[in-house]
Amino acid sequence: SQQGEEDPQALSIQEGENATMNCSYKTSINNLQWYRQNSGRGLVHLILIRSNEREKHSGRLRVTLDTSKKSSSLLITASRAADTASYFCATVLTGNQFYFGTGTSLTVIP
Amino acid sequence: NAGVTQTPKFRVLKTGQSMTLLCAQDMNHEYMYWYRQDPGMGLRLIHYSVGEGTTAKGEVPDGYNVSRLKKQNFLLGLESAAPSQTSVYFCASSYNLAVETQYFGPGTRLLVL
Repeated sequence: SQQGEEDPQALSIQEGENATMNCSYKTSINNLQWYRQNSGRGLVHLILIRSNEREKHSGRLRVTLDTSKKSSSLLITASRAADTASYFCATVLTGNQFYFGTGTSLTVIP
Repeated sequence: NAGVTQTPKFRVLKTGQSMTLLCAQDMNHEYMYWYRQDPGMGLRLIHYSVGEGTTAKGEVPDGYNVSRLKKQNFLLGLESAAPSQTSVYFCASSYNLAVETQYFGPGTRLLVL
């Protein structure tokens, strides 16, 4: 399956610390996206990085993409309790193919 | 703008019953999608539509049918529900190309007994 695999499956940190989660995938992609899901809610788009980009920033979020290793990482700096959620990577192939990973559950302890 | 809405929020069915889940978007998006989310499985694409009157199969289409009679609505039908279809169902839409950002509804929790 092309489905991305996030690592770790669960992460617990103290407020103010940085959180890093990784996504690995199997085949060439058009772009890779990160989404957040709060408990009991739908997914919300965070950031999109195209295959020809290596790094992207959005506020406290930093995403890197290494196409040679077929992996991406999402860094959340200075985490807050409100960042507690599940985070999913989505790999987007050509031809309308869109695959979500299994997610990382992040808990930020106040 | 309401964004993407889903009806109902929660439903309990008995095995063999049928039902239709409704997704509506008010963003004039061409693309619409139905996913199911199961613990430890992430989201899996059931069916999708690239425009009014068109539908296509996703990763796990068996046991489901869809229709896109109006651009703003995407219906997901279960003709004969099975316990394996117990899941949370999410609808999403995107403006143009499937490679762009998807906007998700709040989900429908379905329990099949």
